[in-house]
Amino acid sequence: GAVVSQHPSWVICKSGTSVKIECRSLDFQATTMFWYRQFPKQSLMLMATSNEGSKATYEQGVEKDKFLINHASLTLSTLTVTSAHPEDSSFYICSLLGPMSTDTQYFGPGTRLTVL
Amino acid sequence: AQSVTQLDSHVSVSEGTPVLLRCNYSSSYSPSLFWYVQHPNKGLQLLLKYTSAATLVKGINGFEAEFKKSETSFHLTKPSAHMSDAAEYFCVVSGSGVEYGNKLVFGAGTILRVKS
Repeated sequence: GAVVSQHPSWVICKSGTSVKIECRSLDFQATTMFWYRQFPKQSLMLMATSNEGSKATYEQGVEKDKFLINHASLTLSTLTVTSAHPEDSSFYICSLLGPMSTDTQYFGPGTRLTVL
Repeated sequence: AQSVTQLDSHVSVSEGTPVLLRCNYSSSYSPSLFWYVQHPNKGLQLLLKYTSAATLVKGINGFEAEFKKSETSFHLTKPSAHMSDAAEYFCVVSGSGVEYGNKLVFGAGTILRVKS
């Protein structure tokens, strides 16, 4: 498998501020990472696909100017929630395609965002 | 389009008894199918994966799943439940082809409760 870390594990911020979440691949280079959002008692919804060195591909209905994704290296992707509002409070989870795999994703531990 | 239906939102079993979590899928292509487990406030852990090899797939922690094309099902089973199995389980389908790329489609999840 693959080891994926996220930082921070939880964050509380005031409405209107921006929050950056990091996703790191700890044991191999990941060209493709994914960002998901999970609301309480709901399933995971894909937000965007992050490819190293190119612009992220956003799913329909996800605002790219609000959720900024930067995949600057093969081991790091960041998600910045800009001008956060209480409705952005959620559990954000990243994943990456495993080594030698075209379909198996390995997930980070998630980041709990609470916007006051 | 691809979709996954988990037939039970909640399943409750006694410790030591068998577990059955039901999943039906719909896919235009030959799918890859996965079961992931999520413990509270944690990321997702891959239990097992089907990719058109053996129809009976063995995973970690004693879980297994059987792919039945005629029934479009991929049910997850375990002979004897343990208290540590209490968690939420997601059935997931991954498509192939340019249209779907590496995207995963998640079922709504089944919460497994294990009674002592």
